[in-house]
Amino acid sequence: SAVISQKPSRDICQRGTSLTIQCQVDSQVTMMFWYRQQPGQSLTLIATANQGSEATYESGFVIDKFPISRPNLTFSTLTVSNMSPEDSSIYLCSGYGARQGSDEQYFGPGTRLTVT
Amino acid sequence: RKEVEQDPGPFNVPEGATVAFNCTYSNSASQSFFWYRQDCRKEPKLLMSVYSSGNEDGRFTAQLNRASQYISLLIRDSKLSDSATYLCVVTSPTGGFKTIFGAGTRLFVKA
Repeated sequence: SAVISQKPSRDICQRGTSLTIQCQVDSQVTMMFWYRQQPGQSLTLIATANQGSEATYESGFVIDKFPISRPNLTFSTLTVSNMSPEDSSIYLCSGYGARQGSDEQYFGPGTRLTVT
Repeated sequence: RKEVEQDPGPFNVPEGATVAFNCTYSNSASQSFFWYRQDCRKEPKLLMSVYSSGNEDGRFTAQLNRASQYISLLIRDSKLSDSATYLCVVTSPTGGFKTIFGAGTRLFVKA
């Protein structure tokens, strides 16, 4: 299995500022993803974090707003830029492919963001 | 139409009841199917994978019907600890590997 940690676990930020969330996996994973989960709703995929290249964004999400880095197979960051109250959500990092033959996707504990 | 649709819920059942969750997916090219469980204020965790032949893990049985693009999860002899949100998850090769989550069905098991 893979254990995923995220920092910070929560934050309260002012509108117009930016926050970078870090995701660390304790083993190499093939793929890493960033999701958003708003209260009472399911997970929405923001992007796939690609090692050493630009992330692949889903419809409705753009690099200028959510820049992502993935310098190696165990670490990724997501920045929420120029925040507004609508960005208040839980942001979850996920890893896939930790073990050959396993199709399980692992999740970090999430970062609870509140924008005032 | 959403790519993955689930029963809206919530389901309120007594202990010992049998409960069934249904899920449909729209992309016939979908490759892998899962049920995840998410407890309140926690991250999702894999409950079980779903195969065409069906699979069972203790009180939990999952079924996949590719022709109907339908997935189910059956929980027998419900326990209080089964109370959670159950997420139907589908992976698709479209545009690269991508995991799509259903909206989830909330289950409350009461004594």
